[in-house]
Amino acid sequence: GENVEQHPSTLSVQEGDSAVIKCTYSDSASNYFPWYKQELGKRPQLIIDIRSNVGEKKDQRIAVTLNKTAKHFSLHITETQPEDSAVYFCAANTGGFKTIFGAGTRLFVKA
Amino acid sequence: DTEVTQTPKHLVMGMTNKKSLKCEQHMGHRAMYWYKQKAKKPPELMFVYSYEKLSINESVPSRFSPECPNSSLLNLHLHALQPEDSALYLCASSLGGAGEAFFGQGTRLTVV
Repeated sequence: GENVEQHPSTLSVQEGDSAVIKCTYSDSASNYFPWYKQELGKRPQLIIDIRSNVGEKKDQRIAVTLNKTAKHFSLHITETQPEDSAVYFCAANTGGFKTIFGAGTRLFVKA
Repeated sequence: DTEVTQTPKHLVMGMTNKKSLKCEQHMGHRAMYWYKQKAKKPPELMFVYSYEKLSINESVPSRFSPECPNSSLLNLHLHALQPEDSALYLCASSLGGAGEAFFGQGTRLTVV
């Protein structure tokens, strides 16, 4: 089955700096890659997603890149703000109902 | 309405109790999910209902029993749970399979 690895597990940046979180997946049939943000005590919420027919997608300060050949995808957050502090989960889906999550990255943005 | 609503928010139950978790969505989504999330871990899929039929059961112990009475409601019946079942139980829904999942705020379950 699908396996998603996520790095780093913890990331600390200064406000205004960029943050990059990287994931790899194992199943070449995966074609949908969402990223969820979970603030402490709250529900996971989708922040951006990408499908396998696209190499890059951007939404304001957030961008995701996908390298299908290498089975890598990454989340880039620019001009980080304290409210970006949260746990971020990458995930992969093969088109069915099963989404496999990475282990999560705890992002701290220091003011 | 883009909300998934779960009740109760918190639940403490003994190992001999029977309780139920409830989930509701009115977005017309045809897929509904139960996830279990332990502290500092990702959500772990338990069950998926598609068009009110059980589509996926991730080898969940029978002390957890899902039910989908209609396209808007999803229940999780709990019986004879163990302390290690204590976790945040998240309900989610999506329009189809590979698409955005909307999560409820979860039920924090403690088994004593």
